[in-house]
Amino acid sequence: SQQGEEDPQALSIQEGENATMNCSYKTSINNLQWYRQNSGRGLVHLILIRSNEREKHSGRLRVTLDTSKKSSSLLITASRAADTASYFCATDAGGYQKVTFGTGTKLQVIP
Amino acid sequence: SQTIHQWPATLVQPVGSPLSLECTVEGTSNPNLYWYRQAAGRGLQLLFYSVGIGQISSEVPQNLSASRPQDRQFILSSKKLLLSDSGFYLCAWSPRQGTLFFGSGTQLSVL
Repeated sequence: SQQGEEDPQALSIQEGENATMNCSYKTSINNLQWYRQNSGRGLVHLILIRSNEREKHSGRLRVTLDTSKKSSSLLITASRAADTASYFCATDAGGYQKVTFGTGTKLQVIP
Repeated sequence: SQTIHQWPATLVQPVGSPLSLECTVEGTSNPNLYWYRQAAGRGLQLLFYSVGIGQISSEVPQNLSASRPQDRQFILSSKKLLLSDSGFYLCAWSPRQGTLFFGSGTQLSVL
């Protein structure tokens, strides 16, 4: 079963705009991660945020975590056409070794 | 550096035929190993994970099985494929507590 759900399922924006994706999960976690997947490829890790952290930055990425609401958001600033991909959150609710993924947000950035 | 190899990239199999997908990791020892399946346009479903040789945790009670005969080798098998086994299969590894690193995936079509 899916531990997380991303919202929205699909997002289409113009190049240069910001993109925000949300992830909700069901049970307590140790950490939450965001991954990116280009069509037909494997996933690539973007960023990890631990349960005792509230915000983390990496380049144009900003991730927030609200454990009281069991939710996280991924913000991509100044989006580029190359950011077009699907984005997934992943949690380890079942223990560090058991990593489950959300349903994903499909992002399209229009040049 | 660590690398993960997954093959084949594509596979077309008739219903009822056996399956064997192999994944190997180089450059690390005692990794956690994972098999995920992704239906077209959907999220990732965790099938199996392993924390050591011979230690397999199954998340999906279907006609699939996994084995870890060596520390860095993870094999996904089926004795008789079903139409519903079609999908994109992804192998991944991770350190004890950390991010997942994915293979390039196998697109399996069962006809």
